[in-house]
Amino acid sequence: EAQVTQNPRYLITVTGKKLTVTCSQNMNHEYMSWYRQDPGLGLRQIYYSMNVEVTDKGDVPEGYKVSRKEKRNFPLILESPSPNQTSLYFCASTRAGGGQPQHFGDGTRLSIL
Amino acid sequence: DAKTTQPNSMESNEEEPVHLPCNHSTISGTDYIHWYRQLPSQGPEYVIHGLTSNVNNRMASLAIAEDRKSSTLILHRATLRDAAVYYCILSRGTSGGSNYKLTFGKGTLLTVNP
Repeated sequence: EAQVTQNPRYLITVTGKKLTVTCSQNMNHEYMSWYRQDPGLGLRQIYYSMNVEVTDKGDVPEGYKVSRKEKRNFPLILESPSPNQTSLYFCASTRAGGGQPQHFGDGTRLSIL
Repeated sequence: DAKTTQPNSMESNEEEPVHLPCNHSTISGTDYIHWYRQLPSQGPEYVIHGLTSNVNNRMASLAIAEDRKSSTLILHRATLRDAAVYYCILSRGTSGGSNYKLTFGKGTLLTVNP
């Protein structure tokens, strides 16, 4: 089954403790993205990757890092999480080319205390 | 990015058709019109997309105005499982296009009454 898998689904942690949210897709998609969703602000893109070793900032990249060492994986790293990064996070992947639909994971709910 | 305008909310009855409107008066010639929906506690789900012609798939139909400045997502028979937030989004379709990024607005909250 074609899917985007995120882990963990839920995480409660404390300020400053490094964490990684993993994202994997099995569709051989070139593009992958991370979004965060906050009440009243909708979904906003954090980082995206157009292929292996090619990443760039989205609209709200501060406090986050990403890497794309393999085509299928696109982890999101919070080196020193802060409470304002408490949010619902979604990973997405899509094939390159105009009009291609994005496939989203089920989300990761992060709470930073 | 070109902007879309949708009603904040709409209500429908089960097994009746639903027409969800979207205005995108600043659409450019290469912009695709996408519809996604987000069910409670889930990630956005692709519904349908089109460029100029009307489109049908197993989930819905997309009717695009001749001038492309508006579109309508049609759910032919709404079910309780169709209750969700529906997003109308434009994505640039140029070569090497920017389909890696979708700009989500607030969408339309669809309520389906039994």
